[in-house]
Amino acid sequence: GIQVEQSPPDLILQEGANSTLRCNFSDSVNNLQWFHQNPWGQLINLFYIPSGTKQNGRLSATTVATERYSLLYISSSQTTDSGVYFCAVGSNYQLIWGAGTKLIIKP
Amino acid sequence: SQTIHQWPATLVQPVGSPLSLECTVEGTSNPNLYWYRQAAGRGLQLLFYSVGIGQISSEVPQNLSASRPQDRQFILSSKKLLLSDSGFYLCAWHPDGDTEAFFGQGTRLTVV
Repeated sequence: GIQVEQSPPDLILQEGANSTLRCNFSDSVNNLQWFHQNPWGQLINLFYIPSGTKQNGRLSATTVATERYSLLYISSSQTTDSGVYFCAVGSNYQLIWGAGTKLIIKP
Repeated sequence: SQTIHQWPATLVQPVGSPLSLECTVEGTSNPNLYWYRQAAGRGLQLLFYSVGIGQISSEVPQNLSASRPQDRQFILSSKKLLLSDSGFYLCAWHPDGDTEAFFGQGTRLTVV
């Protein structure tokens, strides 16, 4: 089956810093999403991005489907950005999940 | 717009007791519904999914079962909970594997 790998597993930054999170997947997909899981466990949809580039405020994402990777950019980090960021790809009826990147933003 | 409700938010149950978690979806019909479990500090594991009433697919053999008695209702159950059933359970829906998925707020289950 499809494998999804995220890097780095952990990231600690000072407030105001920029970061890039990566998601590699092992096969072609028609669906890729980025989620943020907040400290209360809620999964928040960030981007639905099977290909191309999208931006939403300080966050942007790029998926290069032909090279099987996606990048999530966070600029001018805030403490509220802390949490775990997941990448998930669609395969048939399922979402295949990466292990996540745990991001800690220090004030 | 579509919304997904999941309850309860937290639950503490003794070993050997039964479990029933409920998930309902509003604003759509015939959704694909999913139950995931997340162990502390880890990614999501797909437990069950359903593409229609009475249709359940199990991804991981375990102590849990799922049912879909109505189009927009998905229930996760257990007859006798184990300590290893502790975790964070999330219900999700999306029209199919190629479209955006949405999640309920989750149930944090602690088996003691």
